[in-house]
Amino acid sequence: EVQVLESGGGLVQPGGSLRLSCAASGFTFSSYAMNWVRQAPGKGLEWVSGISAGGDTTYYADSVKGRFTVSRDNSKNTLSLQMNSLRAEDTALYYCAKVRDDSGSFYDSWGQGTLVTVSS
Amino acid sequence: DIQMTQSPSTLSASVGDTVTITCRASQSISFWLAWYQQKPGKAPKLLIYQASRLESGVPSRFSASRSGTEFTLTISSLQPDDFATYYCQQYDNYSLTFGGGTKVDIK
Repeated sequence: EVQVLESGGGLVQPGGSLRLSCAASGFTFSSYAMNWVRQAPGKGLEWVSGISAGGDTTYYADSVKGRFTVSRDNSKNTLSLQMNSLRAEDTALYYCAKVRDDSGSFYDSWGQGTLVTVSS
Repeated sequence: DIQMTQSPSTLSASVGDTVTITCRASQSISFWLAWYQQKPGKAPKLLIYQASRLESGVPSRFSASRSGTEFTLTISSLQPDDFATYYCQQYDNYSLTFGGGTKVDIK
């Protein structure tokens, strides 16, 4: 069974940093692109970042470019999101999402999310 | 960025109804559109990809189509389990965007 499990969320002050992790199991992690998608409380879905299967190509939403860094360790089946210079508007539930296949960047498996709250 | 305009934002319906949700792209995205269902406190679930392809395990009462830059999701014979929020997502390029969501609630 495919599983992705996020961790690392919490309360952080504006300007602070946080590192999210996503542990994957039940599929060949190194064969699939992975993404981060967030959802602010009571709001819709917002794509944040993506990384290719091999980790050599990364993508970012304009809202996080220059502040967030996505990475993966295929030997440990782990996806990470380093978040720096956090702002109040980054407050959201952050989902790790598995790209279904190489036909396009849409997601067939999601974690339950990890909550990031940016507040003083 | 490609904007996805989803309508309506809320839809009230009864069990057995047929409902339609629309998503309009601000520019051509070909067939590169997915639909998700999200229930409160849960992660989204993939329903449809490539505009009209039903994901494995999704009931056949869900269907979808494309006409130019307008995409529709239709739920035939609405079931109690279908009351949820639905999102479209374009994946034409890697500045992925979602529609604002449509909440389907009980009339």
